[in-house]
Amino acid sequence: SQQGEEDPQALSIQEGENATMNCSYKTSINNLQWYRQNSGRGLVHLILIRSNEREKHSGRLRVTLDTSKKSSSLLITASRAADTASYFCATDGDTGFQKLVFGTGTRLLVSP
Amino acid sequence: SQTIHQWPATLVQPVGSPLSLECTVEGTSNPNLYWYRQAAGRGLQLLFYSIGIDQISSEVPQNLSASRPQDRQFILSSKKLLLSDSGFYLCAWRDRRDSPLHFGNGTRLTVT
Repeated sequence: SQQGEEDPQALSIQEGENATMNCSYKTSINNLQWYRQNSGRGLVHLILIRSNEREKHSGRLRVTLDTSKKSSSLLITASRAADTASYFCATDGDTGFQKLVFGTGTRLLVSP
Repeated sequence: SQTIHQWPATLVQPVGSPLSLECTVEGTSNPNLYWYRQAAGRGLQLLFYSIGIDQISSEVPQNLSASRPQDRQFILSSKKLLLSDSGFYLCAWRDRRDSPLHFGNGTRLTVT
């Protein structure tokens, strides 16, 4: 079953704008990860945030984590057309944290 | 450096035929291995994961099975394919439970 749910399901913005995607999950976690998928390809890891961290940055990416609300957000600043892709959050859930369960994803379209 | 190979890239099979998808990882030892399936425009469904040879956990009861004959080889099989088995199959690995997943390029399976 899906552990995470991303919101919104789809997002359409112009180049230069910021894009914010949210993820909610259900169980306790060890860490939460965000991935990107270009159409028809495998997923690429973007950023990992541990349960004891609240915010993390990587280039134009900013991830926040609120374990009390079981939610995370991914912010892409100054978006580019090349950022067009689907974005997924993934959590390691319970059961020994061996599984990585993905959400339903947000499809981001950045128009020039 | 580590690499993951997944093949074939595309596959068209008739209903009732067998299936064998192969995934191998190079440049690491004792990786955690995963099989996911993605329906069109949807999130990833975890099918199987393995933390070692002969240690395979099944997440979804269905007509698929997985085997790990060697440390860095993960095989997804079916004796008789169903139409509902169509989808995009992704193999992934990671070297420990709190590290990112590295995905192959996927196999697009169409069952006709």
